Amino acid sequence: DAKTTQPNSMESNEEEPVHLPCNHSTISGTDYIHWYRQLPSQGPEYVIHGLTSNVNNRMASLAIAEDRKSSTLILHRATLRDAAVYYCILRDWDDNTDKLIFGTGTRLQVFP
Amino acid sequence: DAGVIQSPRHEVTEMGQEVTLRCKPISGHDYLFWYRQTMMRGLELLIYFNNNVPIDDSGMPEDRFSAKMPNASFSTLKIQPSEPRDSAVYFCASSLQAGGSNNEQFFGPGTRLTVL
Repeated sequence: DAKTTQPNSMESNEEEPVHLPCNHSTISGTDYIHWYRQLPSQGPEYVIHGLTSNVNNRMASLAIAEDRKSSTLILHRATLRDAAVYYCILRDWDDNTDKLIFGTGTRLQVFP
Repeated sequence: DAGVIQSPRHEVTEMGQEVTLRCKPISGHDYLFWYRQTMMRGLELLIYFNNNVPIDDSGMPEDRFSAKMPNASFSTLKIQPSEPRDSAVYFCASSLQAGGSNNEQFFGPGTRLTVL
């Protein structure tokens, strides 16, 4: 599986935008970029995914670089509830195994 | 739907004892996954099933670990005998399908296992 690199931790103030980066320089043409997050004492939850174009949903936006070697998860207005570990994961759409390989993720702290 | 259900939520046992963790996936989901999370190793996939059949158990640490899925609505992860290094949070997850652009996995709340 292609690997991703994320900063260990980031900080933000409440109601400010947060940009969480992810590098994936060895991404292949059939890899989708998925983001999951894990709130304290909970299981991971899906956030968003994309292939080439930027994506928006009710939780976040995903900006994908033109060469697809990096991406950024954008939380438009951080809340205290967004404090979590965010995982950037590559998934081959042609892979029928449905495996998720979690890295170490980015721990986001949000301050009031 | 209640989501993925795991029991117990917490388990404390002594070394050498048998431990059984239980999972009920979301109804209609064909895939079921067992993960383990520790501070040292992060989140690791142990095994996953498709339509009740184990597909990949390469993450199962050793023979002391076994997993079964007797029907579409129930799975167990058993550790026999348990050891202190098995202490971790064990998550169960399910998904509707494999492959494709998105096969979102839904995770349960986890079982925190402590082996003394």
